[in-house]
Amino acid sequence: AQTVTQSQPEMSVQEAETVTLSCTYDTSESDYYLFWYKQPPSRQMILVIRQEAYKQQNATENRFSVNFQKAAKSFSLKISDSQLGDAAMYFCAHSTGGGADGLTFGKGTHLIIQP
Amino acid sequence: DSGVTQTPKHLITATGQRVTLRCSPRSGDLSVYWYQQSLDQGLQFLIQYYNGEERAKGNILERFSAQQFPDLHSELNLSSLELGDSALYFCASSVRPSPDTQYFGPGTRLTVL
Repeated sequence: AQTVTQSQPEMSVQEAETVTLSCTYDTSESDYYLFWYKQPPSRQMILVIRQEAYKQQNATENRFSVNFQKAAKSFSLKISDSQLGDAAMYFCAHSTGGGADGLTFGKGTHLIIQP
Repeated sequence: DSGVTQTPKHLITATGQRVTLRCSPRSGDLSVYWYQQSLDQGLQFLIQYYNGEERAKGNILERFSAQQFPDLHSELNLSSLELGDSALYFCASSVRPSPDTQYFGPGTRLTVL
């Protein structure tokens, strides 16, 4: 069974600083995708960034980047120049290839931005 | 706005009742997924449909069922509701079956009294 572990229930960062959220996963598949989703107080699930396992280059989306360590099964999210609007729950998720199943989510990290 | 729509936004009902949640995927997406988010269970995958056919099942109770119609919209039916079924139910869609990026709707908040 696939598992996703987010070991930080809560993180706090000063506005304009950089923060890294951790995620590890376990899978026996070779073809898979990894995601970070953001859930603000509105409860909408918003895609932040995606990483395909076959790509060696780490994905980047503006202020958001990942550190994908395939051998270590680690997938951390770095948020640079943190803004008040970044405050939310962040979920790491894993999607397998080959089969047809849903995302497996971690329990989430609550990110607090200190003004 | 992800392009995925869900109705209703909120639903309040009593134990033992049956409700139907509706989802319309993004234009061009063939795959629809249903998820449940509750405080104690977190985000859990329930079921997936692809182009009208059931594709995969997750932790879906036997009291719950779903279908995807020819126009690709999907409905999740929840019956014999219990207090523990109170949760936020999300629909997501993607172009292809897994692995592919899933875009989530705004969710339906179900409260069972």
